[in-house]
Amino acid sequence: NAGVTQTPKFQVLKTGQSMTLQCAQDMNHEYMSWYRQDPGMGLRLIHYSVGAGITDQGEVPNGYNVSRSTTEDFPLRLLSAAPSQTSVYFCASRAGTGEYFGPGTRLTVL
Amino acid sequence: GNSVTQMEGPVTLSEEAFLTINCTYTATGYPSLFWYVQYPGEGLQLLLKATKADDKGSNKGFEATYRKETTSFHLEKGSVQVSDSAVYFCALSDRKPGYALNFGKGTSLLVTP
Repeated sequence: NAGVTQTPKFQVLKTGQSMTLQCAQDMNHEYMSWYRQDPGMGLRLIHYSVGAGITDQGEVPNGYNVSRSTTEDFPLRLLSAAPSQTSVYFCASRAGTGEYFGPGTRLTVL
Repeated sequence: GNSVTQMEGPVTLSEEAFLTINCTYTATGYPSLFWYVQYPGEGLQLLLKATKADDKGSNKGFEATYRKETTSFHLEKGSVQVSDSAVYFCALSDRKPGYALNFGKGTSLLVTP
């Protein structure tokens, strides 16, 4: 059972480049979410989805897009990367007992 | 809006010492409360949870009680081990937004032999 998987583990971008962070879960969870973790800030919610075809914004959505075409996948797109988006990104999916987190993607924007 | 405040770290303890990490919350509804743990280089793992007032969550020797009257959910362990060294996050989940987790800033714990 793979749980929540994220790719890539590390990524370096230049300002203005675009990329997609991949997230997949094999637990058939309806709810999925993206967080970013910054030093001294805890984790902040970027976007979330309560099921295929349904997404909504979290606390810090600007500069990020999401879509949810299947239950399994919830990719996060950076349209034009900025240094302020340097962070560690975590994807999570939820069951009744709590949220399961992926291992994270460490993104650096130069 | 909802928010979570937890004690600043880092916390340094000797092995077998008693641990308390304070957590208080502000919420408009009736949230569920959680403690997550993050070991170095890893994602977050659910440590324990409580869904209503006076519930006690417990796991691996850690405990926390949902206190509505003091809006608190303090994490405790009677005897810490070196392997408990990690960052601990208190969090709440409420109906808005979509029951997503609202995290505190985290408390780093270092346990020395």
